[in-house]
Amino acid sequence: SYELTQPPSVSVSPGQTASITCSGDKLGDKYACWYQQKPGQSPVLLIYQDTKRPSGIPERFSGSNSGNTATLTISGTQAMDEADYYCQAWDSSSVFGGGTRLTVL
Amino acid sequence: EVQLLESGGGLVQPGGSLRLSCVTSGFTFNNYAMNWVRLTPGKGLEWVSSIRGSGGGTYYADSVKGRFTISRDNSKNTLYLQMNSLRAEDTAVYYCARDLIAAGGSDYWGQGTLVTVSA
Repeated sequence: SYELTQPPSVSVSPGQTASITCSGDKLGDKYACWYQQKPGQSPVLLIYQDTKRPSGIPERFSGSNSGNTATLTISGTQAMDEADYYCQAWDSSSVFGGGTRLTVL
Repeated sequence: EVQLLESGGGLVQPGGSLRLSCVTSGFTFNNYAMNWVRLTPGKGLEWVSSIRGSGGGTYYADSVKGRFTISRDNSKNTLYLQMNSLRAEDTAVYYCARDLIAAGGSDYWGQGTLVTVSA
């Protein structure tokens, strides 16, 4: 079955840029999306179809997808961005990455 | 306003059954594919099942295939998940979620309902 791999944790200083990767075989040939989930809350869709932002999502969130890696980039990271982040893609079925805990130090 | 409200979770013994419901409002339900996704502390988010807007296509994760059944009643704007032969590893918070577009992710999620499988 298809698998997506994310780093378990990423740390960033406030105001800096955070990059979270999601790796899978030929992932660039598929669409990827990204979610943010804070403790006790439901996931929020941040990026869909690799690069698109739903309405209401701040411009500091951006996405890319090429080769075997999709990347979520958070520019000007804020304390409120501390959360778990998940990628999702579709092969024969839907699959999520294992999630990345973003810590804003 | 789009709303999704799950119910039906609870404590069940291994081998038991539960039926989850997700009542929706604020959008044309039969125009959207719907999903069940679960969150477990050790594994994160896991896609469980999806169903097309018309109900004509259903899809399952290998981990639940043959045990879980997804369905929808478009006249009641409600999504269901029948869970049979439950195992300890099915313990999770179960969310229903609306597809934005095909392969576009889920743009609206319910608040989740907790399923605990334990003796």
